[in-house]
Amino acid sequence: EVQLVESGGGLVQPGGSLRLSCAASGFTFSTYWMNWVRQAPGKGLEWVASINLDGGGKYYGESAKGRFTISRDNAQNSIYLQMNSLRAEDTAVFYCGRGSGAPDSWGQGTLVTVSS
Amino acid sequence: QSVLTQPPSLSAAPGQKVTISCSGSNSNIGRKYVSWYQQLPGTAPKLLIYDDNKRPSGIPDRFSGSKSGTSATLGITGLQTGDEADYYCGTWDNSLSAGVFGGGTKLTVL
Repeated sequence: EVQLVESGGGLVQPGGSLRLSCAASGFTFSTYWMNWVRQAPGKGLEWVASINLDGGGKYYGESAKGRFTISRDNAQNSIYLQMNSLRAEDTAVFYCGRGSGAPDSWGQGTLVTVSS
Repeated sequence: QSVLTQPPSLSAAPGQKVTISCSGSNSNIGRKYVSWYQQLPGTAPKLLIYDDNKRPSGIPDRFSGSKSGTSATLGITGLQTGDEADYYCGTWDNSLSAGVFGGGTKLTVL
C-alpha cells in the first residue's frame, strides 16, 4: 500500500523559514516523480513543485519560484520542501503527491500557518 | 485564475447523472493525460480517474472520464448523498512546465 506521510508544518512568522518532509513507503520511490501541492483555507488545489527521478530536474509554480526549494533523497525514500521568506498568503495545507504534476497518491497533508 | 476551467458548482438529485467539465488548451489537456479527484471536507484529495478515463482499483464504475480535444469530462451516475464533495481536474502543462489544476467544482446532491 502506498503511504505518504508529511511532517514539518507549524506556525511561523512572516519572513521566516520552514522545511517540510514527506516519507514514502509501499512503492519503488526512485521510479516516481514527486510533487508538493497546497491548499489555502477554503480555496482550491495549487501545484507548488515537482521533482524528477534523480532530483536533477525541479519545477516550480510562480508562487514558489525563488523562495521554495524541492529536493529528494532516494536512499531515505523522502522528499523535502524548503520554504523561505514565508508570507501570510502561504498559509495552507501542504500535500505530498506521487507522480508528475497530477498525483496519483496523496499524503494526509501538513498545515503551515504564517502569522505574527 | 486557474489554467484549467471548471464550473464552480453543480447540483443534482439523488439517482441522477451529472457531468463536470474541465476546459484547457493544447499545451495541457490537448497533449497530456487528465486526472480527476474527489475531495471530501477535511480530507486529502482522492484519485477518481487517471489517464483520461481509467479508474483506480476500488473506484466504482459510476465514475467515468472522457476527453475530446482540449476538454475533459467527469461523469457520475446514480448520484448518492455521499458524492457531495469538491471535484478537481489536473494535468501537466508543457508550455508552463508546471502542474495545473482546475478551480474545483462543488457538487451538491439534494
